[in-house]
Amino acid sequence: AQSVTQLGSHVSVSEGALVLLRCNYSSSVPPYLFWYVQYPNQGLQLLLKYTTGATLVKGINGFEAEFKKSETSFHLTKPSAHMSDAAEYFCAVSTTSGGSYIPTFGRGTSLIVHP
Amino acid sequence: NAGVTQTPKFQVLKTGQSMTLQCAQDMNHNSMYWYRQDPGMGLRLIYYSASEGTTDKGEVPNGYNVSRLNKREFSLRLESAAPSQTSVYFCASSGPIQGYRSYEQYFGPGTRLTVT
Repeated sequence: AQSVTQLGSHVSVSEGALVLLRCNYSSSVPPYLFWYVQYPNQGLQLLLKYTTGATLVKGINGFEAEFKKSETSFHLTKPSAHMSDAAEYFCAVSTTSGGSYIPTFGRGTSLIVHP
Repeated sequence: NAGVTQTPKFQVLKTGQSMTLQCAQDMNHNSMYWYRQDPGMGLRLIYYSASEGTTDKGEVPNGYNVSRLNKREFSLRLESAAPSQTSVYFCASSGPIQGYRSYEQYFGPGTRLTVT
């Protein structure tokens, strides 16, 4: 079984401040890890992913995340928030089931950016 | 490429009515998924199809049925709608990209369903 915990349903930052969205997971096998972003009234789109290799992964729009196996974490960061980063962010963990990768999503964190 | 498309975008049903949500993808993906999104609950998997001709239950399948019509299309049917099925429904697909294994999902824009 796998699960994802996103700490904080809402995170509020000022424009230009550091963004840190937390994600912890549990998985019985090596996981594939993802962050997705959802803008209002849209579907989800991939920000970044970790499958194998380098544990620090870079995504679109200046976001990055680091896979820390010992801490079972995959926190999302961005050095300087922009107003356009305001959105809902979802962390997901995926393992294989019968040839298909079935992800489990966290409950989401709403990022609020103040001017 | 259009990616993943869903119809309709909005729908209002009365309790007991039935409807089918349509989903199509043009990325030649093997796997397709249906989710529902409710406030504070994240995305919950209703059904998925690992490949053409197969379907499996997800976390919340009760009250729904699916059909994988062909490789491109995966429909979700509500036989007798209930207010508890008021939600936003997302279809997603995943599969190889240019011959390389890809693990991420591509999502449609969603269907906003209200059951009164």
